[in-house]
Amino acid sequence: ETGVTQTPRHLVMGMTNKKSLKCEQHLGHNAMYWYKQSAKKPLELMFVYSLEERVENNSVPSRFSPECPNSSHLFLHLHTLQPEDSALYLCASSQDRDRAPYGYTFGSGTRLTVV
Amino acid sequence: GDSVTQMEGPVTLSEEAFLTINCTYTATGYPSLFWYVQYPGEGLQLLLKATKADDKGSNKGFEATYRKETTSFHLEKGSVQVSDSAVYFCALSDRGYSTLTFGKGTMLLVSP
Repeated sequence: ETGVTQTPRHLVMGMTNKKSLKCEQHLGHNAMYWYKQSAKKPLELMFVYSLEERVENNSVPSRFSPECPNSSHLFLHLHTLQPEDSALYLCASSQDRDRAPYGYTFGSGTRLTVV
Repeated sequence: GDSVTQMEGPVTLSEEAFLTINCTYTATGYPSLFWYVQYPGEGLQLLLKATKADDKGSNKGFEATYRKETTSFHLEKGSVQVSDSAVYFCALSDRGYSTLTFGKGTMLLVSP
């Protein structure tokens, strides 16, 4: 079971579409993360939010736009994506950005296919 | 900087075989160490953890011991099942900087 919920589970979008991925946690965590997982590649950390403030952005293209309206919700807005952006997008949360003694709690991910 | 190195997969075993997946790390401080498991089509789940040297983490028959002298955290299971087929990730969290550093993952395939 997971305390982090991601929707939708699957998404197919055209390159000119605009869509959003949603992540929700009610664990009382203060830090949230977006990861990208592509086939045969290591996990890529995309964005880190701590107390609703973006604290890390790992050279992610501007076609990915995160939003964290409160400590329980995290969005990833997508527009004009490329086929190589097809991947599993994982959301995670932790107690705090500077303390994660129990590691991260991950959602089940959104499988994105760009056509 | 911090890094985690895992053995390359896939690791292919028959049911009831003994499993070892090697993990070594480099860290500047005194990290906490984790093993995560990812079943097909799912996100990562925390399998076990250890927060200080000589700690042994265990869960669902899996074990790993934090070895500071060899900077290792190898995952072991005495008798694997088909349902253990998944990708296993070793990770560390260096105190004072919690962003987890993950290894590349090791795929385990268990056949009946």
